[in-house]
Amino acid sequence: SQELEQSPQSLIVQEGKNLTINCTSSKTLYGLYWYKQKYGEGLIFLMMLQKGGEEKSHEKITAKLDEKKQQSSLHITASQPSHAGIYLCGATRNNDMRFGAGTRLTVKP
Amino acid sequence: DGGITQSPKYLFRKEGQNVTLSCEQNLNHDAMYWYRQDPGQGLRLIYYSQIVNDFQKGDIAEGYSVSREKKESFPLTVTSAQKNPTAFYLCASNKQGPDTQYFGPGTRLTVL
Repeated sequence: SQELEQSPQSLIVQEGKNLTINCTSSKTLYGLYWYKQKYGEGLIFLMMLQKGGEEKSHEKITAKLDEKKQQSSLHITASQPSHAGIYLCGATRNNDMRFGAGTRLTVKP
Repeated sequence: DGGITQSPKYLFRKEGQNVTLSCEQNLNHDAMYWYRQDPGQGLRLIYYSQIVNDFQKGDIAEGYSVSREKKESFPLTVTSAQKNPTAFYLCASNKQGPDTQYFGPGTRLTVL
């Protein structure tokens, strides 16, 4: 099983709706990263969380790391077609990073 | 502009051939990484290098080789020993292990 589990695997929402993507770790998270990927392209860094309870926002995207540091959520408010893509969470482990399988988001206009 | 470049964007290879994927960065990062991405499986680490002339195997190193002769460059060779090489390959770099990794645009390799 994967060290990082993301849910849902895919999500289709109507433009303007809110949505949440979750990332659950089997181990304590010391650095949790959120990336976005357009199909066939590289990953774009969104945010990094380190402290339990930490919350960060970038435009209409908010990410939280729970107090126990084993789960993170990514929330998008008033989704737009530009939000479509694959969202991946990543966790640092020693000298490298482990990634979840990703959540594919489709936003219907 | 600072960043990470990968070339080529698309690569086709016949079975039994070795092929080398290029990754260059001008961010002055010490560490560089190679990942493989398959549908529904996220990213898997192939090799990484924390410093010039040194590199370590990741989770799926078999059938791949790398070199790190210069700080800016970390080429990946997909050898004929790699049984299922068709995939999307991503290169990343950062200052050191726990820091944020920044990614190149990727190379899609197809074995014919």
